[in-house]
Amino acid sequence: DTEVTQTPKHLVMGMTNKKSLKCEQHMGHRAMYWYKQKAKKPPELMFVYSYEKLSINESVPSRFSPECPNSSLLNLHLHALQPEDSALYLCASSQPGTSGRATYNEQFFGPGTRLTVL
Amino acid sequence: AQKITQTQPGMFVQEKEAVTLDCTYDTSDPSYGLFWYKQPSSGEMIFLIYQGSYDQQNATEGRYSLNFQKARKSANLVISASQLGDSAMYFCAMRGSGTASKLTFGTGTRLQVTL
Repeated sequence: DTEVTQTPKHLVMGMTNKKSLKCEQHMGHRAMYWYKQKAKKPPELMFVYSYEKLSINESVPSRFSPECPNSSLLNLHLHALQPEDSALYLCASSQPGTSGRATYNEQFFGPGTRLTVL
Repeated sequence: AQKITQTQPGMFVQEKEAVTLDCTYDTSDPSYGLFWYKQPSSGEMIFLIYQGSYDQQNATEGRYSLNFQKARKSANLVISASQLGDSAMYFCAMRGSGTASKLTFGTGTRLQVTL
């Protein structure tokens, strides 16, 4: 199984809502990632979990709250979002890298969740 | 800091022709990996090909090959025998060393394959 799944595919929410994005992989990967992608732009890294611990937070506003309940699941909890947060949210997974050496750890991406904040 | 530059915002190629998508990079990390991803309009990022900084030979994967010129810090993607289904956005990305190293993406090149 070389698939990363994301739910929901589409999400429309108001600025006062609380919602969650879910990502799941069963490839035994121990690194999982959240990216945000605006239209016609490259993906921007938000968070990295390595061995279920948050290892990178790219100064993301606190209205985005990641959670990694186990090695297969990654959630992104959303609260009090702004219209400018509307974007495609991509989840990815890979094996963690090796310190001091860039290894071939391909990131497998999910299909994304298209989020619209009204 | 790592930087990826893709200078071609858009490219056109006729079906069955070959096309080269340019990518240059900058890093102080002695060990790094270079990736190319394809993103169709559906949104999913599809991995195409990988080149490690210490690899002696250029990577190839089917119709995709990577023209890696380390001294020039370039990693161009060559697609041979283009197909209509190749129309998509293509991103070059770099990964450095480290246990939780991230991918740094270029701005992308939109490829349109025509009849």
